[in-house]
Amino acid sequence: GQNIDQPTEMTATEGAIVQINCTYQTSGFNGLFWYQQHAGEAPTFLSYNVLDGLEEKGRFSSFLSRSKGYSYLLLKELQMKDSASYLCAVINRGSYIPTFGRGTSLIVHP
Amino acid sequence: GAVVSQHPSRVICKSGTSVKIECRSLDFQATTMFWYRQFPKQSLMLMATSNEGSKATYEQGVEKDKFLINHASLTLSTLTVTSAHPEDSSFYICSAEETSGNTDTQYFGPGTRLTVL
Repeated sequence: GQNIDQPTEMTATEGAIVQINCTYQTSGFNGLFWYQQHAGEAPTFLSYNVLDGLEEKGRFSSFLSRSKGYSYLLLKELQMKDSASYLCAVINRGSYIPTFGRGTSLIVHP
Repeated sequence: GAVVSQHPSRVICKSGTSVKIECRSLDFQATTMFWYRQFPKQSLMLMATSNEGSKATYEQGVEKDKFLINHASLTLSTLTVTSAHPEDSSFYICSAEETSGNTDTQYFGPGTRLTVL
């Protein structure tokens, strides 16, 4: 099995930078996803990391350290529309089905 | 990018009736599709994995006779909630798996909000 931990809720100011952490414990790691989910909507794909390091995609970046079982999602130049839940999901080796964390609810205020 | 549609987006039904939800991959073929259920303020819970041309694989605790899954083509999977009860009211989300290179990425449909009266 695997445990995935994310903070439940975070708040940040419009225009600022926020980092959402995700730690996981797994018997065999085979990739980590970040998804964004607005209230009442389905998740949308943000990033996929399988190797260590930082992947940058516009205002969003995702980092992975496999040895530490740790990832973070970095959001820059925050906008009000970034208020959403951010889900970390891990794929175990030998499986193609991701296990989702509980998600981090991000609230961006003016 | 990969697009997944889901229909209907919202359904209200009486207790005891059956509801069918369709999930389609619009611009790619998906051998594998997944069905999730999400209760308010909770994470996604995988219900079953749907494989084209074969029986679905259900997660522990999910009744296969209550939640019927059919994956008849590479672009369509259906979930039928049979004899629905109020406790089945939830947000049902499908996803389709696209393989690109060595990466399998799930793309989610917009979800179906089911309310059983």
